[in-house]
Amino acid sequence: SQQGEEDPQALSIQEGENATMNCSYKTSINNLQWYRQNSGRGLVHLILIRSNEREKHSGRLRVTLDTSKKSSSLLITASRAADTASYFCATGRQAGTALIFGKGTTLSVSS
Amino acid sequence: GAGVSQSPSNKVTEKGKDVELRCDPISGHTALYWYRQSLGQGLEFLIYFQGNSAPDKSGLPSDRFSAERTGGSVSTLTIQRTQQEDSAVYLCASSLTVWDRGTDTQYFGPGTRLTVL
Repeated sequence: SQQGEEDPQALSIQEGENATMNCSYKTSINNLQWYRQNSGRGLVHLILIRSNEREKHSGRLRVTLDTSKKSSSLLITASRAADTASYFCATGRQAGTALIFGKGTTLSVSS
Repeated sequence: GAGVSQSPSNKVTEKGKDVELRCDPISGHTALYWYRQSLGQGLEFLIYFQGNSAPDKSGLPSDRFSAERTGGSVSTLTIQRTQQEDSAVYLCASSLTVWDRGTDTQYFGPGTRLTVL
């Protein structure tokens, strides 16, 4: 069963604009991870935020986590056409368990 | 190896045939995962290996699906008597397992696109 639900399902923006994607989940977690997928093939890990963290940055990415609301957001600043992809949140529990993925947000960045 | 590899990259088969999908994880990664992704959908967890044992097979959709892992490395996912609804991209991922750290970052292979005619 799916734990994370991303919102919106699809997002279209212009180059240079910021893109915000949200993720909600249902049960307690150890960490939350964001992945990116190009062209329906392998996923690439972007960032991991632990349940005791509230915000994390990596380059143009900013992730927030609100465990009281069971939600997370991924912000991509100054977007580029190359950011066009599907973005998935995935929740991690204790070690030795699989990530549970949401259905993803499809981001289109036009130049 | 440098990354997770999967073979074949594409597989077209006829309904009722058996198929084997292979995954080579990153060297030293003890955990290996299989997922399935249907067109436009999220990832559906199938099975997880820690070493050669599979403590979580809860995602396997039917008894036509099985997987094994040998030598703590290569894994094979076998689908018997394939059906059209088995058509999907099958993704493999590997990770380290650090027991006091929660589910770790997973490194994905490029996937195998299976088409059942």
